[in-house]
Amino acid sequence: QKEVEQNSGPLSVPEGAIASLNCTYSDRGSQSFFWYRQYSGKSPELIMSIYSNGDKEDGRFTAQLNKASQYVSLLIRDSQPSDSATYLCAGANTGNQFYFGTGTSLTVIP
Amino acid sequence: NAGVTQTPKFQVLKTGQSMTLQCAQDMNHNSMYWYRQDPGMGLRLIYYSASEGTTDKGEVPNGYNVSRLNKREFSLRLESAAPSQTSVYFCASTGSIDEKLFFGSGTQLSVL
Repeated sequence: QKEVEQNSGPLSVPEGAIASLNCTYSDRGSQSFFWYRQYSGKSPELIMSIYSNGDKEDGRFTAQLNKASQYVSLLIRDSQPSDSATYLCAGANTGNQFYFGTGTSLTVIP
Repeated sequence: NAGVTQTPKFQVLKTGQSMTLQCAQDMNHNSMYWYRQDPGMGLRLIYYSASEGTTDKGEVPNGYNVSRLNKREFSLRLESAAPSQTSVYFCASTGSIDEKLFFGSGTQLSVL
């Protein structure tokens, strides 16, 4: 079983809609969680980090963490065509390991 | 500030050839990582180095070796390349598990 599981999609939403991305993790020792965005042919770039249960908002992005359910999500409000990319969920454990999910491909349709 | 510098950007090898991918960071980070990315597989951890002088296996270490040459540099070596090692390789570094990973620009490797 992978450390981090993501629904690989692909996910398509119309412009202006909310995109919802989800992942689950298996290592209860994981204490930090991240969402990265990756455009085709480029390196991953950080969108959000979250460490505590609850919600964390940054502009159009909201990350949610539920450690009891071992669940992390990312909501993108007012989706824009420029949000079209692959979104990678990652967890980091106390062994200094960062594990990534398989990624969710998002397409925002104008 | 260059961040994470990874070389080469592209490489084509024949089966059985060897090569070393180089990675250097100038952010004084303790931890460095090597990942491979294949279509539909996300990023898979090959090896990592939590601090200078230590290296540990990740999810997919077979066929690879690493060297943490000093705090700045972390190299990945393929001793006898196989077609299954055709992939995009990323080096990354961070100061701690509470901080983001900084990625290099990637190496597209093809093994024929």
